[in-house]
Amino acid sequence: AQKITQTQPGMFVQEKEAVTLDCTYDTSDPSYGLFWYKQPSSGEMIFLIYQGSYDQQNATEGRYSLNFQKARKSANLVISASQLGDSAMYFCAMRAIPGYSSASKIIFGSGTRLSIRP
Amino acid sequence: DAGVTQSPTHLIKTRGQQVTLRCSPKSGHDTVSWYQQALGQGPQFIFQYYEEEERQRGNFPDRFSGHQFPNYSSELNVNALLLGDSALYLCASSLAGRQARGGTEAFFGQGTRLTVV
Repeated sequence: AQKITQTQPGMFVQEKEAVTLDCTYDTSDPSYGLFWYKQPSSGEMIFLIYQGSYDQQNATEGRYSLNFQKARKSANLVISASQLGDSAMYFCAMRAIPGYSSASKIIFGSGTRLSIRP
Repeated sequence: DAGVTQSPTHLIKTRGQQVTLRCSPKSGHDTVSWYQQALGQGPQFIFQYYEEEERQRGNFPDRFSGHQFPNYSSELNVNALLLGDSALYLCASSLAGRQARGGTEAFFGQGTRLTVV
């Protein structure tokens, strides 16, 4: 069975500082993908970054980077130079990569509420 | 290019009633998945539709059913509503072929906030 664990229910960070959101996962699937989503109060789930289990390098997307440590089964999100608009819920998620055409479900963690202080 | 659109955005229903939620996938996408997100929790997978068939199902009772139309849009139906069905219902669309290789194509709509009273 797949499981995502986010141990930080909430975090407060000063504007312009870097922040790391923790995520550990458990799966028996040989191939899988890891995601981070941002969910503002409006409710929409906004895709931030993706890391495949077979990727050799850590993924980066602008101010977002994913610190992928496969042996430790961790996939932490790093946000550099935080901004007030980064205040939101952040979800770590995982999906198995099947060998058939239909996609597998996405498993989400419980989320971390990030608040940026001016 | 329109993203994933869901309707309605908000809905209030009485316990025991039935409700239908709708989702139009992102242009070019053929797979639709539905998720339930209770307040303060992460989304939980309900089911997924591809080629007008239910392909996968999460741990939800038969009161939750769905449909996918030839234009790839989808409906989520919930019968005999319970107070515990109050949640944000999210629809996600993707392209099956690319998803088979992993990737980033799980785009979500803004959700339908259902309140059961």
